[in-house]
Amino acid sequence: GENVEQHPSTLSVQEGDSAVIKCTYSDSASNYFPWYKQELGKRPQLIIDIRSNVGEKKDQRIAVTLNKTAKHFSLHITETQPEDSAVYFCAASITGGKLIFGQGTELSVKP
Amino acid sequence: DTAVSQTPKYLVTQMGNDKSIKCEQNLGHDTMYWYKQDSKKFLKIMFSYNNKELIINETVPNRFSPKSPDKAHLNLHINSLELGDSAVYFCASSQGDRGQETQYFGPGTRLLVL
Repeated sequence: GENVEQHPSTLSVQEGDSAVIKCTYSDSASNYFPWYKQELGKRPQLIIDIRSNVGEKKDQRIAVTLNKTAKHFSLHITETQPEDSAVYFCAASITGGKLIFGQGTELSVKP
Repeated sequence: DTAVSQTPKYLVTQMGNDKSIKCEQNLGHDTMYWYKQDSKKFLKIMFSYNNKELIINETVPNRFSPKSPDKAHLNLHINSLELGDSAVYFCASSQGDRGQETQYFGPGTRLLVL
């Protein structure tokens, strides 16, 4: 069935380092890939998204890349700060109007 | 930030009880969703409605019944609550129903079944 695999499940970096989270998806018809950040006890909030007609998108310290041939996409956070600590979810749209979420990555940024 | 709101925020109840969670959005969106987030943080869609019509109905026990009185509201009624229903339930909304639009989440309802 439709599936989104996300790695790693946990990631610990030093403040100022970069963090990379990777996702793969199974539905070749997927064409919308959002990333959500969820702080402890809070709601998931969109931080960046990418559509299948582009390969890369940047927003300040956050960037997302998409490789449709390989069916994978990645989130890159540069110059990490302690407030970046949260759980990050990737997702992919699938036929039928659904978003399938990855399992989440718990990012910890140590000062 | 009250774009998507849910009530109650916390719900503690006994097994076998029936409970409801309410969701409202003031974004003018056509589509609303219910997600379940389990203890491992996994987010899984349960239902979606577009303009009061059921669009997505995942493999969810029929003890769960959504109701959309109008496109700004989507409620979730759960009958005969079980221990495994303990989770955080998130409502969300989006402008369209193709799965390609930003989904805005509510604050969540933390349900604990004892």
